[in-house]
Amino acid sequence: EIVMTQSPATLSVSPGERATLSCRASQGFSTKLAWYQQKPGQAPRLLIYGASTRATGVPARFSGTGFGTEFTLTISSLQPEDFAVYYCQQYNTWPPKYTFGQGTRLEIK
Amino acid sequence: DVQLVESGGGLVEPGGSLRLSCGTSGFNFGDHTMNWVRQAPGKGLEWVSSISSSGSYVYYGDSFRGRFTTSRDNANSSLYLQMNNLREEDTAVFYCARGPQHMDENFFDAWGQGTLVTVSS
Repeated sequence: EIVMTQSPATLSVSPGERATLSCRASQGFSTKLAWYQQKPGQAPRLLIYGASTRATGVPARFSGTGFGTEFTLTISSLQPEDFAVYYCQQYNTWPPKYTFGQGTRLEIK
Repeated sequence: DVQLVESGGGLVEPGGSLRLSCGTSGFNFGDHTMNWVRQAPGKGLEWVSSISSSGSYVYYGDSFRGRFTTSRDNANSSLYLQMNNLREEDTAVFYCARGPQHMDENFFDAWGQGTLVTVSS
């Protein structure tokens, strides 16, 4: 099983500043990695797939990079609605054994 | 608009069974892999199961194989999760989530609002 580890667990950032969230895989793979945003009481929302492709309707301030074992989600200028929990997920394994990171809580500083 | 609506959650005793449903609209259901993901209270996301667009292939996480059964009805655009021998640690919100056409690129691009399953005596 590929274990996904996100850091930090909690990130405190001021609105307008940049946030950088990390996701590390226990085994390397290519770019089959997705990022999701979840707000309290809501379902997750797909932000990024293929490590770097924004999903439909996702603002350009969200960007994803990475390959192998190290992946990053960057939010360039935080808006009030961006404060949420973010999860990474690998979908590389076959047969499917998808795994999520434990989440990073992005909070207002 | 793409919509996924789960139903069937509720309170069940340990060892009991429950069947969840996910009704969908706004897209061609039969073209998509479908998935179940769960989230225990205050915890992170956990993949439960995936089913291919035709229903011919079904995969489960290790914690669920042998207890849970995923199926689909493409004629009625619906996804199902039969859960047997439920344990208290199965208490969670269960989400259905849409995948792409091909399971080898299975990220989840649309989610339902979830249905809460509580396993308790």
